[in-house]
Amino acid sequence: GQNIDQPTEMTATEGAIVQINCTYQTSGFNGLFWYQQHAGEAPTFLSYNVLDGLEEKGRFSSFLSRSKGYSYLLLKELQMKDSASYLCASDGQNFVFGPGTRLSVLP
Amino acid sequence: ETGVTQTPRHLVMGMTNKKSLKCEQHLGHNAMYWYKQSAKKPLELMFVYSLEERVENNSVPSRFSPECPNSSHLFLHLHTLQPEDSALYLCASSQTMQGSGARNTGELFFGEGSRLTVL
Repeated sequence: GQNIDQPTEMTATEGAIVQINCTYQTSGFNGLFWYQQHAGEAPTFLSYNVLDGLEEKGRFSSFLSRSKGYSYLLLKELQMKDSASYLCASDGQNFVFGPGTRLSVLP
Repeated sequence: ETGVTQTPRHLVMGMTNKKSLKCEQHLGHNAMYWYKQSAKKPLELMFVYSLEERVENNSVPSRFSPECPNSSHLFLHLHTLQPEDSALYLCASSQTMQGSGARNTGELFFGEGSRLTVL
């Protein structure tokens, strides 16, 4: 079976740091994706983690713990344009998206 | 511009109409997908085509009928839809098929979506 979960909504202040968590249970797990989706737009790729640890890409970093079935997306120096939904997706015997976390960045 | 183009962007249809959604990818990918996105629900995979062959149909009602004439084009034919079918329909492509159990070689590229309203 497959189960993937994220918080529904989060709020943070411009310039702050926010961590969006994702837990998953995936048969034949290969890796974990993060996508960003602005309202009314298509999802766009942010990161893909296969190995345990933190991968940094500019203001965004993504972490994976395969043994714990856990990942997080870390956003630093938040900007207003970071207000969007963030979707994690697990890849394995099936490919499944989480419900998405809607992040609101306030001035 | 993701390299995946969907038309129309918006569609309003009655329950007795027949319409089609079109998707075209210019990325040379081998896999194409239809996803449904409803408010407050996760992205739902509807159909997957790999090398023009349908691989997966996640118990989608027969009022949705996909067609993949070649590796660059994907259609979703709609007929006798219900109001609860109103949603954003997203097309995506990838180099190799996601969720195949094999090593993943690349992410999904999404089109802008077709916003469908069924009256």
